[in-house]
Amino acid sequence: GENVEQHPSTLSVQEGDSAVIKCTYSDSASNYFPWYKQELGKGPQLIIDIRSNVGEKKDQRIAVTLNKTAKHFSLHITETQPEDSAVYFCAASPSNSGYALNFGKGTSLLVTP
Amino acid sequence: GAVVSQHPSWVICKSGTSVKIECRSLDFQATTMFWYRQFPKQSLMLMATSNEGSKATYEQGVEKDKFLINHASLTLSTLTVTSAHPEDSSFYICSATGTGIGYTFGSGTRLTVV
Repeated sequence: GENVEQHPSTLSVQEGDSAVIKCTYSDSASNYFPWYKQELGKGPQLIIDIRSNVGEKKDQRIAVTLNKTAKHFSLHITETQPEDSAVYFCAASPSNSGYALNFGKGTSLLVTP
Repeated sequence: GAVVSQHPSWVICKSGTSVKIECRSLDFQATTMFWYRQFPKQSLMLMATSNEGSKATYEQGVEKDKFLINHASLTLSTLTVTSAHPEDSSFYICSATGTGIGYTFGSGTRLTVV
């Protein structure tokens, strides 16, 4: 089955700096790679996703890059703000619906003022 | 956008009793629903996948007789934790997908068994 590795497990940055979280996956059948932000006591919220026919996607301060050959994808957050502090999960799936998502172990991001 | 409503948001029950958690898709037909369990500071672990009108498919190590999943309609799935014990205390999260609708998560249910 799919195995998603996520690094680092914790990340502390100063407000305004950039944060990068990296994930690797094992199953070449995976074609959909979402990123979720989870705040304490809440369900995951989709922040950005990418499909395998795209190498990069950007939405304001957030970007995701995908290297399908190397089987890794990364989340980039620029100009970080204290409200970006949360746990971030990457995931992989063969499709954007119908199949269970395989999650990484999460990265706890702390943005200090 | 697609919305999934999960209730209750938290519940405390006595050991040995059963607890039902509901997951509703409010504005789309959820052909597939997923149930996850999340322990503190850990990732989401898939418990089972259910397709409307079919029996749920459970992940290895998840007791199907303990975690009863019903997905009788395209807008509602329920997870019943039977004969709950303290080790079942966890954060339970549902997710739903439908035709043209990607993964939408509920807000989670904090279960505490005392």
